[in-house]
Amino acid sequence: EIVLTQSPDFQSVTPGETVTITCRASQSIGSTLHWYQQKPNQSPKLLIRFASQSISGVPSRFSGSGSGSDFTLTINSLEAEDAATYYCHQSRSLPLTFGGGTKVEIK
Amino acid sequence: QVHLQESGPGLVKPSQTLSLTCTVSGDSVTSNDFYWSWIRQTPGKGLEWIGYIYRVDHPFYNPSLESRLTISVETSKEQFSLNLRSVTAADSAVYHCARYNQAAGGTFDFWSAGILVTVSS
Repeated sequence: EIVLTQSPDFQSVTPGETVTITCRASQSIGSTLHWYQQKPNQSPKLLIRFASQSISGVPSRFSGSGSGSDFTLTINSLEAEDAATYYCHQSRSLPLTFGGGTKVEIK
Repeated sequence: QVHLQESGPGLVKPSQTLSLTCTVSGDSVTSNDFYWSWIRQTPGKGLEWIGYIYRVDHPFYNPSLESRLTISVETSKEQFSLNLRSVTAADSAVYHCARYNQAAGGTFDFWSAGILVTVSS
């Protein structure tokens, strides 16, 4: 099973700042890493696929990078509506797995 | 627009079977393009993939749950179901159904709202 380790677990950020979340895979997964945003009392929403590909309708301030085993989600110019928990997910092999999540709080 | 809605009991007794159904609209469970999935979420373990079913009769399960799990499709009702046997308190979670899009990189592109299931006597 591929284990995904996210850091940090929690981040408190001022609007306008940049947020960086990392996801490390226990083995190389190429680019089969995806990011989701989950707001309170909602289901997860796909943000980025294949490590860096944008999803239609997602604001351009969200971007992803990385390959192999190290990946990053960046949120530029954080807005209040970005308060959420962010998860990475790998589709390289079964069982499909998720990272533990990073909760982003707005100061 | 694809919509998924899960249904089932919110309370299950220990050792019994947890049964949930997901009704799909805006797409078909017989589609060859997508895998129909179950995912659960707990504060302690986060998101856990339970399993999915492809082309009506090809299920794939998380090995950690496989011995207790059945996922099936009811084509006439555009539904797919989860049956998890011999449940314990550790199976208490919010259960989501979701569409898995293999062609789009292996992403969950549509999710249900989620249903809280508590295992307790």
